[in-house]
Amino acid sequence: NAGVMQNPRHLVRRRGQEARLRCSPMKGHSHVYWYRQLPEEGLKFMVYLQKENIIDESGMPKERFSAEFPKEGPSILRIQQVVRGDSAAYFCASSLRGETEAFFGQGTRLTVV
Amino acid sequence: GDSVTQMEGPVTLSEEAFLTINCTYTATGYPSLFWYVQYPGEGLQLLLKATKADDKGSNKGFEATYRKETTSFHLEKGSVQVSDSAVYFCARSPGGNQGGKLIFGQGTELSVKP
Repeated sequence: NAGVMQNPRHLVRRRGQEARLRCSPMKGHSHVYWYRQLPEEGLKFMVYLQKENIIDESGMPKERFSAEFPKEGPSILRIQQVVRGDSAAYFCASSLRGETEAFFGQGTRLTVV
Repeated sequence: GDSVTQMEGPVTLSEEAFLTINCTYTATGYPSLFWYVQYPGEGLQLLLKATKADDKGSNKGFEATYRKETTSFHLEKGSVQVSDSAVYFCARSPGGNQGGKLIFGQGTELSVKP
């Protein structure tokens, strides 16, 4: 049973480009969470999604960031017009239900040059 | 708002030393408490958890007890190994229907020397 799969593991983008980060949850999991880890900091919650619904986006920056979890396919975190401050590790987690334990992927390390 | 505070690192210990990493949390609601470990270049792995007051989580020789009276969830291990070198994160859930929406401490880096 594969765990949470994130790709790519490493992503380099120039300032102003778009970054698309993908997350495939564990089999059977329909709840997905995205976190951001800035250098030397802990993880900060960004957004909580169920299939086709955003449940809680209280941690998402108001501009340039969006997330989706379609009926079919992986969850996508999209960052438009990236800036150097977006350089971070982005982690996805999934859970079977909203109140159950979440399992983390290995993360995507975004570098903006 | 809700928060989790951990002792600052880095913590450097010799092999077989006793480990304590302090963690305190804000006491709103009925949170579950977690310790996660992150090895270099990897994602987070759940180390242990406790879901109610006085519960003790344990795994791989690590232990932590959910102390409601002191709002603490300190991580301990009696004899650390070099392979325990990693960053350790304490976290709480808000409780209720958002088990995966976690609030993390800033992390404590542990380095164990032979």
